[in-house]
Amino acid sequence: AQSVTQLDSHVSVSEGTPVLLRCNYSSSYSPSLFWYVQHPNKGLQLLLKYTSAATLVKGINGFEAEFKKSETSFHLTKPSAHMSDAAEYFCVVNPGYSSASKIIFGSGTRLSIRP
Amino acid sequence: GAVVSQHPSWVICKSGTSVKIECRSLDFQATTMFWYRQFPKQSLMLMATSNEGSKATYEQGVEKDKFLINHASLTLSTLTVTSAHPEDSSFYICSANPPAGPSTDTQYFGPGTRLTVL
Repeated sequence: AQSVTQLDSHVSVSEGTPVLLRCNYSSSYSPSLFWYVQHPNKGLQLLLKYTSAATLVKGINGFEAEFKKSETSFHLTKPSAHMSDAAEYFCVVNPGYSSASKIIFGSGTRLSIRP
Repeated sequence: GAVVSQHPSWVICKSGTSVKIECRSLDFQATTMFWYRQFPKQSLMLMATSNEGSKATYEQGVEKDKFLINHASLTLSTLTVTSAHPEDSSFYICSANPPAGPSTDTQYFGPGTRLTVL
């Protein structure tokens, strides 16, 4: 069965320091993996996605994620946090490749940024 | 591209009334759309899969007579919360995938609708 585990429910960093949000997945084959960000009372915005073209994926707003098959991980990083990065982040797996596939959400990680 | 809109963004209604929420794919046609519900500080919970021209597929535990879904065109799905009660108050989000191409595996989300039932 497919699953996604976000290892931290809450991460707090100081502005200007690196961000690491951890995600592990379980899949019997190479799925599509995504990171989304959700600001309060907003929908989810796609940050980046992995679809086997390259293991290091660059996204919007300076975020990137590295797919490590041996570790079944897809951690999200950013070199320098900004106050506007404070939000909820979701790691998501799409186990299928059709537009009708149900995706699987991680439980989310709330990122707080200290001034 | 791949923009999904929702209307209204927030709604307040009295207990016992019905509320309709619209989800539109603005720059692509979507044969399938998804409806989610999100409680405070929680992840999204899939309620149903909306299929253009056919009946929606509801997740276990979701009352189909309570949450009516209509997907009458390739760009519009509606969710109607019938006889709403305070426990239906929540944040409702829809999503859709482009039907073909490199982004067909990507769900694009609407901005959400905050429903408050008094």
